[in-house]
Amino acid sequence: EVQLVESGGGLVQPGGSLRLSCVASGFTFSAYWMTWVRQAPGKGLEWVANIKEDGSEKYYVDSVKGRITISRDNAKNSLYLQMNSLRAEDTAVYYCGRTTAIDYWGQGTLVTVSS
Amino acid sequence: DIQMTQSPSSLSASIGDRVTITCRASQGIRNDLGWYQQKPGKAPKRLIYAASSLQSGVPSRFSGSGSGTEFTLTISSLQPEDFATYYCLQHNSYPRTFGQGTKVEIK
Repeated sequence: EVQLVESGGGLVQPGGSLRLSCVASGFTFSAYWMTWVRQAPGKGLEWVANIKEDGSEKYYVDSVKGRITISRDNAKNSLYLQMNSLRAEDTAVYYCGRTTAIDYWGQGTLVTVSS
Repeated sequence: DIQMTQSPSSLSASIGDRVTITCRASQGIRNDLGWYQQKPGKAPKRLIYAASSLQSGVPSRFSGSGSGTEFTLTISSLQPEDFATYYCLQHNSYPRTFGQGTKVEIK
């Protein structure tokens, strides 16, 4: 059974940093692109970033470029999202997903940026 | 960026109704489109991939059609568990983009 479990969310002040993690199980992690998607409270889904199987290609939505970095550790079956210079508009539930077409989703982790 | 225009933004329907939701892409995306269902407080769940293929385990009352710029999700006979918000996602080019969502409510 495919499982994706996010962690690392919480309350952070504007300008602060946070690192989200997503641990995968039930499939060969190193064989799949992985994706981060976020959802602000009461809003729709927004694609954030994705990363190729070996980490050699990464893509980002313009609003996070230069502040957020996607990475992975295939030996640990883990996906990461390093978030710096956080803004109020980054407040959202962050989901990790498998593949670029997102066939499976984690349960999400809430990031709140507020003073 | 490819814009995905989803309509309607909300609809009210009764049990047994046929429901149709549309996503229009601002440029051609072949069939690189998926449909998702999201219930409150839950992660989205994929219903349709490659525009018209039914995800394993999803009831056959859900179907998808379209290619290029116009896509449709149809629920042939609405059931109580189908009241949710539905999104399309294009994965043809970067950045990936979602439709703004369609909330299906009980009439």
